[in-house]
Parts: sequence; C-alpha cells; structure tokens
Amino acid sequence: QQPVQSPQAVILREGEDAVINCSSSKALYSVHWYRQKHGEAPIFLMILLKGGEQKGHDKISASFNEKKQQSSLYLTASQLSYSGTYFCGTEPGHTDKLIFGTGTRLQVFP
Amino acid sequence: KAGVTQTPRYLIKTRGQQVTLSCSPISGHRSVSWYQQTPGQGLQFLFEYFSETQRNKGNFPGRFSGRQFSNSRSEMNVSTLELGDSALYLCASSLYALGHTDTQYFGPGTRLTVL
Repeated sequence: QQPVQSPQAVILREGEDAVINCSSSKALYSVHWYRQKHGEAPIFLMILLKGGEQKGHDKISASFNEKKQQSSLYLTASQLSYSGTYFCGTEPGHTDKLIFGTGTRLQVFP
Repeated sequence: KAGVTQTPRYLIKTRGQQVTLSCSPISGHRSVSWYQQTPGQGLQFLFEYFSETQRNKGNFPGRFSGRQFSNSRSEMNVSTLELGDSALYLCASSLYALGHTDTQYFGPGTRLTVL
C-alpha cells in the first residue's frame, strides 16, 4: 500500500531540472508532497486532488495522473535550497489516511 | 502563530519501559496526527485525533496508543518498549480532519532511542 518513489536519490547542479515520481497500486483520492531537510520537520509543498489540475508555485510544480495512479513533482532551475528529502503522501480512496513513500533524497550542488 | 511543538525533543529509554510524548498543535487546529519515521520505513501513519476522538489508526500494535485533550493537545504513549521502536516521532496538526485536503503542519519531532 506504501507508494513507491523514484528515483531514490538525485544529485543536481544548480540550475538543473529534476522529476520525482510517486506511484501507487491503489486508486488515489489525493497526493500530498512534502520536503524535509535534515534534522527538520517536513514542510508542505502542495496537494493534488483527483480530477484537479496541475499545481505549482515558483519553480516547483506537480501533476497527478489518475489513470496510472501516479504523481510527478517537477523542480526546474533547481536552487541550493531545494536540497532535502521529498516525500509523497497518498490518500487511497476516501480512507482519510496519509500513506507516505520512502522518500527521494535530492542534493543540489553549486 | 506559534508552530507545532513537541516535547521532549530527545528521549532515551530501555527495553520494557514506557514513554509518553506530547504534541501541541497550532492554535485553532483540531486535528493531530502522529507518524513514526525510520530510515528504512520512512514516514508511517500511527493515528489521527480530531476533537478528542481517534478517527483513524495505522498498522501498529496496541502498545502504541494516544489521546487528545479538549485544548487539542495530544499525547502518544508507547508501552513495553522494544528496540525497534527507536525512531523519530512526528506529530502534525491541521485545521480540519484528514481527508479534507487540509495542509498538515509538522512539529520538529521527538527522537526516541531504546537501549
């Protein structure tokens, strides 16, 4: 039931783009994205709802493919501050539970 | 507004003991969820409390329990500690109950080490 994230780790230079994928075997109602820096609390990025549109702010956006039960997080022109571990949280159906993936570790170097 | 606070930040216990962790949500938030974070398993949902009632529970043994008070503060208790309980325990608060697509705000966590 735990969503699978890929890749497990990404190394980027500043200004490069990255895509992080989140796949579930269950029909999803919503997908939540969080970023966690080492030793800090996860920070909310965005929620995507079934039937909703692609969302984004600044240079981070995400999409939700309901048919494939997948969500993708797009980071464009990456900045040093983007470094951290990205988690997707999925709500299978209307279970009112958030099941998180194991995370994707992203490192941005100058 | 003050963020989510958790106490204590660090705990060291021995096997067989019990522990109580505390979480104070953002003022006005009525939902508190608890998660266990470990390097191998990632973030795992423990349970959610809303208006003093447990709404949902993850797949954890009965040794893990919680409660919520009328001021929305929540406590989590783990009895008969095992080595595998060593983890970072995070709580998150939101205005509404989970499932209403509300944003969850996480606290800094309590790092529990079981020896």
